[in-house]
Amino acid sequence: SAVISQKPSRDICQRGTSLTIQCQVDSQVTMMFWYRQQPGQSLTLIATANQGSEATYESGFVIDKFPISRPNLTFSTLTVSNMSPEDSSIYLCSVAPATGDEAFFGQGTRLTVV
Amino acid sequence: AQTVTQSQPEMSVQEAETVTLSCTYDTSESDYYLFWYKQPPSRQMILVIRQEAYKQQNATENRFSVNFQKAAKSFSLKISDSQLGDAAMYFCAYRTYNFNKFYFGSGTKLNVKP
Repeated sequence: SAVISQKPSRDICQRGTSLTIQCQVDSQVTMMFWYRQQPGQSLTLIATANQGSEATYESGFVIDKFPISRPNLTFSTLTVSNMSPEDSSIYLCSVAPATGDEAFFGQGTRLTVV
Repeated sequence: AQTVTQSQPEMSVQEAETVTLSCTYDTSESDYYLFWYKQPPSRQMILVIRQEAYKQQNATENRFSVNFQKAAKSFSLKISDSQLGDAAMYFCAYRTYNFNKFYFGSGTKLNVKP
């Protein structure tokens, strides 16, 4: 299993600014995942973060908008850059430590852009 | 790519009654994993139940059970003796066998009436 601490839990930001979300896992994991969940919607994978290499982004998401860092096997950050109201969402960090494991999630960051 | 479909955006059940949430998926793989997650208003994603595709026996966890029909690519969740605390969004999820990639359905909002 894995316990994930994600912060901040919520924030209200001005448009044009950036917010960095932190994700700390209590065990070493190879891959960490960042999801976006727009209001009333399902989870959409933004990118997969591997330690020591560039993150892999899904279609529709780009590194300039969502830069990701993965400095070690227990920590990752997601930055939402140059925010607009359309970026208002819940952002979730997730890991799946071993083959067949369920996904474990952080508590999510509720971002509101005004 | 795999797709997961939940055709019931919202459902209601009377307390103590039984409700079944539907999920279908599309895949060309023979081995994979399926999950049901619950997301209450707290935003925390909570694993409800999991099923390995190679197991014919349907998974059961207390009041929660699944009806896994591999040939039909169907994975429904049955909640027995529904409780007020079961009210939440429920997401069906598919995990590929060899990779850590998850695919989520669009979710079903479950209301429990006292």
